[in-house]
Amino acid sequence: NAGVTQTPKFRVLKTGQSMTLLCAQDMNHEYMYWYRQDPGMGLRLIHYSVGEGTTAKGEVPDGYNVSRLKKQNFLLGLESAAPSQTSVYFCASSYQDLGQLVPRYFGAGTRLSVL
Amino acid sequence: GDSVTQMEGPVTLSEEAFLTINCTYTATGYPSLFWYVQYPGEGLQLLLKATKADDKGSNKGFEATYRKETTSFHLEKGSVQVSDSAVYFCALSDRTYSSNTGKLIFGQGTTLQVKP
Repeated sequence: NAGVTQTPKFRVLKTGQSMTLLCAQDMNHEYMYWYRQDPGMGLRLIHYSVGEGTTAKGEVPDGYNVSRLKKQNFLLGLESAAPSQTSVYFCASSYQDLGQLVPRYFGAGTRLSVL
Repeated sequence: GDSVTQMEGPVTLSEEAFLTINCTYTATGYPSLFWYVQYPGEGLQLLLKATKADDKGSNKGFEATYRKETTSFHLEKGSVQVSDSAVYFCALSDRTYSSNTGKLIFGQGTTLQVKP
């Protein structure tokens, strides 16, 4: 049982480059989330999805786009990377929980540096 | 701002010992409280949660009670096993009365090592 898998684990980008982070879960969960973790700021929600084909903005969505074409996958895109997007990114998933956004399983994280 | 403080580790116990990991928080609004666990080589996973004062979350023999008067959410287990060795994170959700941003604020984590 793989749980939540994130790829890649590490990446270095130059300012203005684009990339896509992939998150895959094999638990048939409805909800999926993308967080970023920065020192002293906890985990902040970027975007989330409550089902295939649906996405919504979280607390810090600017500069990111997401897609949920298949239930098991949630992609996070950076169209034009900026140094402020240097962070550790975590994907998470959960089943429905009375409408609450409560991530249950996290991936191992992607460390991104933008130079 | 909102914050979570956990007891420093590592915590080393013998099998079948009683476990307490302290967690206190500061928050405005009406936060939900969580304990997450990270087993070696794996990602975080939710262990238990409580959404309002006096709620008790429980799972896999672990319990924690949401104490608003002491702003605490201590994790307890009556008899630990070697398989409980992991890092435990207390967290709160920045939740107002009418919305849930999904933001999670984590404590620094407490490492538990259980010896046979």
